[in-house]
Amino acid sequence: DQQVKQNSPSLSVQEGRISILNCDYTNSMFDYFLWYKKYPAEGPTFLISISSIKDKNEDGRFTVFLNKSAKHLSLHIVPSQPGDSAVYFCAALYNNNDMRFGAGTRLTVKP
Amino acid sequence: GAVVSQHPSWVICKSGTSVKIECRSLDFQATTMFWYRQFPKQSLMLMATSNEGSKATYEQGVEKDKFLINHASLTLSTLTVTSAHPEDSSFYICSASWVSSRETQYFGPGTRLLVL
Repeated sequence: DQQVKQNSPSLSVQEGRISILNCDYTNSMFDYFLWYKKYPAEGPTFLISISSIKDKNEDGRFTVFLNKSAKHLSLHIVPSQPGDSAVYFCAALYNNNDMRFGAGTRLTVKP
Repeated sequence: GAVVSQHPSWVICKSGTSVKIECRSLDFQATTMFWYRQFPKQSLMLMATSNEGSKATYEQGVEKDKFLINHASLTLSTLTVTSAHPEDSSFYICSASWVSSRETQYFGPGTRLLVL
């Protein structure tokens, strides 16, 4: 059962522009959401997270938005840089116990 | 930041052999370690959660007799794929945490397993 979905397998953006990565979930019990960045042949690295009691969290160039009513979250990267090119996974956590990952979106930032 | 290593980074083995993958937390004591598996272009799938000194908790559908997990110390967990078959070929990633929270887990670099 795919409780966390990233429907766009890939995204290509020009350097300096905004990258928007989307994630949808089906389980309304998820109470914490995370974004991870992953380079090929490496493990994921934590990027940013948001609690379900918030609708926005910002950290430098990265902002995560949460729309609980739509069960949707997005990661905004602005401005995008070539070094941001990687696969981005969203993950959802329920009661600090059950973590589900999306399938990932490959972001390519072109110089 | 917290560093987690995995060894080996890649392994090729014949069908029927067993393969051991090590996961080490280098600069912190990991009370909890997680093992994930990733198929090409697919999501990370949690296989099991292990706490130091106790038996691992396996996710539904994961064969505990096939994927043996040992968390013998606060800095080392091992995953042994027993009698490996080609369908076990995958990318295995561990993560470690010093609290039981899945929010604060640090991932290893992963191990690529190819079973011929």
